[in-house]
Amino acid sequence: DVKVTQSSRYLVKRTGEKVFLECVQDMDHENMFWYRQDPGLGLRLIYFSYDVKMKEKGDIPEGYSVSREKKERFSLILESASTNQTSMYLCASSLISPNSYEQYFGPGTRLTVT
Amino acid sequence: AQKITQTQPGMFVQEKEAVTLDCTYDTSDQSYGLFWYKQPSSGEMIFLIYQGSYDEQNATEGRYSLNFQKARKSANLVISASQLGDSAMYFCAMREGRYNFNKFYFGSGTKLNVKP
Repeated sequence: DVKVTQSSRYLVKRTGEKVFLECVQDMDHENMFWYRQDPGLGLRLIYFSYDVKMKEKGDIPEGYSVSREKKERFSLILESASTNQTSMYLCASSLISPNSYEQYFGPGTRLTVT
Repeated sequence: AQKITQTQPGMFVQEKEAVTLDCTYDTSDQSYGLFWYKQPSSGEMIFLIYQGSYDEQNATEGRYSLNFQKARKSANLVISASQLGDSAMYFCAMREGRYNFNKFYFGSGTKLNVKP
């Protein structure tokens, strides 16, 4: 079974703090993704990575950065957390293949910035 | 333009009845994939069903089927014989393949409530 784990289920941070969200997958997937989920907006892609040290901006990268030093680990960094970054953050991974069937998701991290 | 559009923010269905959740997509790729995910209140994303753009038959997985109409660019999810446990958010998603990576797009979701 593919497993995608995220470092925290719930996180509370103060405005201006630097926040690290960690994601680890155990299936040797090339692609990894970070989304945020907000009511009425669905899942919006922040960043994705298709290989170690490679990253691409998604639809809403402002205020975020990422790091992928090892294939299994993809980190999302909020350089200076703001209240509008309060959200559910979902990590996912997938194979690189035209026939790949799905993304595998982690359980999510609910981040509150006060 | 939106890549994935789900026009039903919320729906109700009576237990044991069938329900259709709408999804339309926008792509100029010839090769793409369409997915449906279920997200219960616990928050995990559960993969339900997949349809490839070259698949001629509609995908089916148990009580789930995907009504794929390529010319209309629609990929509606049909749930037959609804159960109380089907109450959840449902997301339609599309994968476009580009070079060496796959990018996924999600709709805004439909909240389904199954009434006893």
